[in-house]
Amino acid sequence: DGGITQSPKYLFRKEGQNVTLSCEQNLNHDAMYWYRQDPGQGLRLIYYSQIVNDFQKGDIAEGYSVSREKKESFPLTVTSAQKNPTAFYLCASSIGFVGGRAGETQYFGPGTRLLVL
Amino acid sequence: KQEVTQIPAALSVPEGENLVLNCSFTDSAIYNLQWFRQDPGKGLTSLLLIQSSQREQTSGRLNASLDKSSGRSTLYIAASQPGDSATYLCAVRPLGSGNTGKLIFGQGTTLQVKP
Repeated sequence: DGGITQSPKYLFRKEGQNVTLSCEQNLNHDAMYWYRQDPGQGLRLIYYSQIVNDFQKGDIAEGYSVSREKKESFPLTVTSAQKNPTAFYLCASSIGFVGGRAGETQYFGPGTRLLVL
Repeated sequence: KQEVTQIPAALSVPEGENLVLNCSFTDSAIYNLQWFRQDPGKGLTSLLLIQSSQREQTSGRLNASLDKSSGRSTLYIAASQPGDSATYLCAVRPLGSGNTGKLIFGQGTTLQVKP
């Protein structure tokens, strides 16, 4: 089956701890994205990557870091600098550059819920 | 700054009713507008995408319209079913976001269809 997987489904973070959320896709997509969703709010873009070994900050990148060493993987680290990490985190991918514009449809993973102990 | 608003935040209807969900955006400079469905605790599923040059898109019982000049979109659901219960999100892709794929999301409308 082609798709996007995220793990774990639930993640607990202790104060001062860094945690890493996994995102893997087998759709052969170039572009990948991380969003944060808070209750009653829409999604906000944290980081995105258009190609391997390249990534850019989104609207709320502070306290987060990413890497893109492989096309199929885009892990997100929530650092201790992120003071309010409790949220639902969604990873997405798209085909990337098509005629100079990013692929139109983004495909989403099932999400990871991060809770603070 | 582009802002996307969805009203109402929640809606409850009896099964079989036709309904309309609303989405408004403040800047008409967009590539496209997309409607997503999100089930509780799950990811998003794309329902319909309307390019800025289009007026509407249809898929089964769903019809989405776009009036770019007034900054509005509606999602029409015909003959609603309990299985339609979910949160519906709209998102716009601003012009100038071409190679970023950036989407601006509304807060969503949570729909409950009662049997």
